[in-house]
Amino acid sequence: EAGVAQSPRYKIIEKRQSVAFWCNPISGHATLYWYQQILGQGPKLLIQFQNNGVVDDSQLPKDRFSAERLKGVDSTLKIQPAKLEDSAVYLCASRTRVQETQYFGPGTRLLVL
Amino acid sequence: QKEVEQDPGPLSVPEGAIVSLNCTYSNSAFQYFMWYRQYSRKGPELLMYTYSSGNKEDGRFTAQVDKSSKYISLFIRDSQPSDSATYLCAMSLNTDKLIFGTGTRLQVFP
Repeated sequence: EAGVAQSPRYKIIEKRQSVAFWCNPISGHATLYWYQQILGQGPKLLIQFQNNGVVDDSQLPKDRFSAERLKGVDSTLKIQPAKLEDSAVYLCASRTRVQETQYFGPGTRLLVL
Repeated sequence: QKEVEQDPGPLSVPEGAIVSLNCTYSNSAFQYFMWYRQYSRKGPELLMYTYSSGNKEDGRFTAQVDKSSKYISLFIRDSQPSDSATYLCAMSLNTDKLIFGTGTRLQVFP
């Protein structure tokens, strides 16, 4: 079974630029999550999708972050404009409706200069 | 006060040692408790999962949950150099919004 795929793996941008990350969850996983992991900290949930609907985006900085999952499969997370404090690893995770385990992708490492 | 507290380490032990990793938490409503292992530049992978209180064993790994003390532990027996990684505790009210600790970096030297 293929795991959660993410791209790009690394991205360097300057502050105020925009950036987008892509995630393809494990096939058949209806629930998809985006987490932000700042260096030296644990992952923090940004947004949760159930199929193509948002379940929880309470910790998403909506003035600059947006995410979509149009067809209920892959998802994109966008930051516009980026700030220095957005430097982090952005992790995507997925699970089935009934399964309790979240499976994580390798993450996209973002550096904002 | 953070919802989940975890000593960041680093923790350095010789091969074969028993390792004890711990987290404390403040929200007594948490029901699901997990331990994830994260190798450098990789995503977290689930090691152990416990619902409510009690112990769970899987090979060299044992997870304990003490809800009365709001304290969870992960024990690694016969530690190996391949166990060198960051160990993250996570907990939640349901199975969705995981609240992670900061992670403890473990180094097992031969």
